[in-house]
Amino acid sequence: GAVVSQHPSRVICKSGTSVKIECRSLDFQATTMFWYRQFPKQSLMLMATSNEGSKATYEQGVEKDKFLINHASLTLSTLTVTSAHPEDSSFYICSATWGAQETQYFGPGTRLLVL
Amino acid sequence: DAKTTQPPSMDCAEGRAANLPCNHSTISGNEYVYWYRQIHSQGPQYIIHGLKNNETNEMASLIITEDRKSSTLILPHATLRDTAVYYCIAPVYKYIFGTGTRLKVLA
Repeated sequence: GAVVSQHPSRVICKSGTSVKIECRSLDFQATTMFWYRQFPKQSLMLMATSNEGSKATYEQGVEKDKFLINHASLTLSTLTVTSAHPEDSSFYICSATWGAQETQYFGPGTRLLVL
Repeated sequence: DAKTTQPPSMDCAEGRAANLPCNHSTISGNEYVYWYRQIHSQGPQYIIHGLKNNETNEMASLIITEDRKSSTLILPHATLRDTAVYYCIAPVYKYIFGTGTRLKVLA
């Protein structure tokens, strides 16, 4: 149980274009979803927290106009990287949870390469 | 979040127990300790969590000291597939990942 999927698993795009990454909870209703970014040889860094039907809460230093997060349903959250640049190339990972519990279940990640 | 510190790397022989320590000396009374692992190029995988008592599941055992300032994750019979980075986290509403311990299981 508690399976989270991400799509696509990897994406290559040109600089200046926008990329959308989907995160889905497959067998539970995710009241809260999280988005992380991981650069090579580094740890995961939390980008934002989103609750279903509410605006996302962004961590300090993360540009909300660049990383658009939508959590319109209890099973789907999307992260859109707008006007992507090479420095946005990274491994993007989502996680999901439900209710008041703190256990997060992670997706497999999306590797973004911006040329 | 309570700051956690872990050794950067450990080796373990296949079939032996892997004991991964974590210090969380600033943890408060209601903060759980969570363990995850991340195999290369994958999302983190939940292993186990606990508050005060020792916990065991099909993957591992978690030993938490009585003062809750440290804990140890035990993989009783490590296999090559257990090679990964292991993270210890003591969250409050959100996860702050440290650098973790890179466990290498040797054949």
